[in-house]
Parts: sequence; structure tokens; C-alpha cells
Amino acid sequence: DTEVTQTPKHLVMGMTNKKSLKCEQHMGHRAMYWYKQKAKKPPELMFVYSYEKLSINESVPSRFSPECPNSSLLNLHLHALQPEDSALYLCASSRDYSNEQFFGPGTRLTVL
Amino acid sequence: GQQVMQIPQYQHVQEGEDFTTYCNSSTTLSNIQWYKQRPGGHPVFLIQLVKSGEVKKQKRLTFQFGEAKKNSSLHITATQTTDVGTYFCAGPGTNAGKSTFGDGTTLTVKP
Repeated sequence: DTEVTQTPKHLVMGMTNKKSLKCEQHMGHRAMYWYKQKAKKPPELMFVYSYEKLSINESVPSRFSPECPNSSLLNLHLHALQPEDSALYLCASSRDYSNEQFFGPGTRLTVL
Repeated sequence: GQQVMQIPQYQHVQEGEDFTTYCNSSTTLSNIQWYKQRPGGHPVFLIQLVKSGEVKKQKRLTFQFGEAKKNSSLHITATQTTDVGTYFCAGPGTNAGKSTFGDGTTLTVKP
């Protein structure tokens, strides 16, 4: 299995809602990532987990809360988002830091 | 912080023409990766270059890593409509685990 899966594919939420994005991989990768991508821009790193521990937080606002329940799963909890948070949220995994990253299909988030 | 600059931002070619995108860093890179993102899709890993002066080929795609390990290029020979998409280079960031993506080059191919 060489896939990274993400759910949901699309999400529309209001600014007062709480929602979660989910990511799963079964490649035995020990590094997992959350990226945010705006249209016509490169992926922008948000968080990195290594061996289920948060190792990098790129000064992301606290309305985004990551969680790594186990080595295969990565969640991103969303609360009180702003319209400018609308973007494609990509999850990725890699065997370790120096290896290629496998990206999931992303969740396209719209905040109204 | 470390930045990876990529040019051009856009390239429009006629099918059959060649295409090249360039990636430059102000600092030496331990490695560089290339990804392709189709319209509406997600980045897909193409290749990783590690050695100074390294050249790797994948069918019509040729990847080079500069001797000083500060620049890299991706060249596509005889483009096809299936080559459309945005090509990103990515270098390792200042912190382990952090990749810095170039701004990408978006390729369109006119049949």
C-alpha cells in the first residue's frame, strides 16, 4: 500500500464550527506532515510529526490543532477558522526526514 | 531562512517543444527533490538528487544537480499534453523535516 488517504475530500464550514481533517498511511512512514496550499502557490508547511511527536510547528495559529493518535494516523482539528483559511490542506508522509514525501489527495476547505 | 527560487513561473509550449525549469538556492543543499502537481491534483514525487553534478533521467525527463549543489534543473524533451502541471523543486530547510518548496513552474502544452 503506497497511498496516503485523506478525508473528507471537500469541507465547507462556518467560522464557529469545529471540524477535523483525517490522514492515514500504512507504509510504515515515521514522519507525517500537514501542508496548506493556496491557489497557484507552493505547499506551505504547517506541522511535522516524527515518531508520533510534534517536531515542527511553523507558527501556525492555535485555531489549527494537530494530533497524531498513532503511527498511521494524523488529524488536524479546526476551530473558529477565518475565511482566509480556505485552501487545500495536504497531508504527506515520508520514511524519515530526508526521503521523498508521499502526498495525499488533500481536503479542499472552504470557510464561510 | 533558506529560500529556493524557481524560474520561470509559467511556460507555454507547443506540443513537441522542449521545456526547462530552474531552481536556485543561495546556500548549499544536501539534496533536492522534484515534484509534479497536475491541475486539481496533489504533488507527486519525481526524483531526489543528492550528489554534486548528478544527472538522472526518467524517459523524456532529465534532472541535474549543480556542481556546487546550489542549483538544479528539470528538462523535458518533446513535451506531450500529459506533461501539463506545476513542477516544484524542494530543498531541505534549516530544520530537519522542513522542506522548502520553490514557487513552481506551471507548464501548459498546446496540442
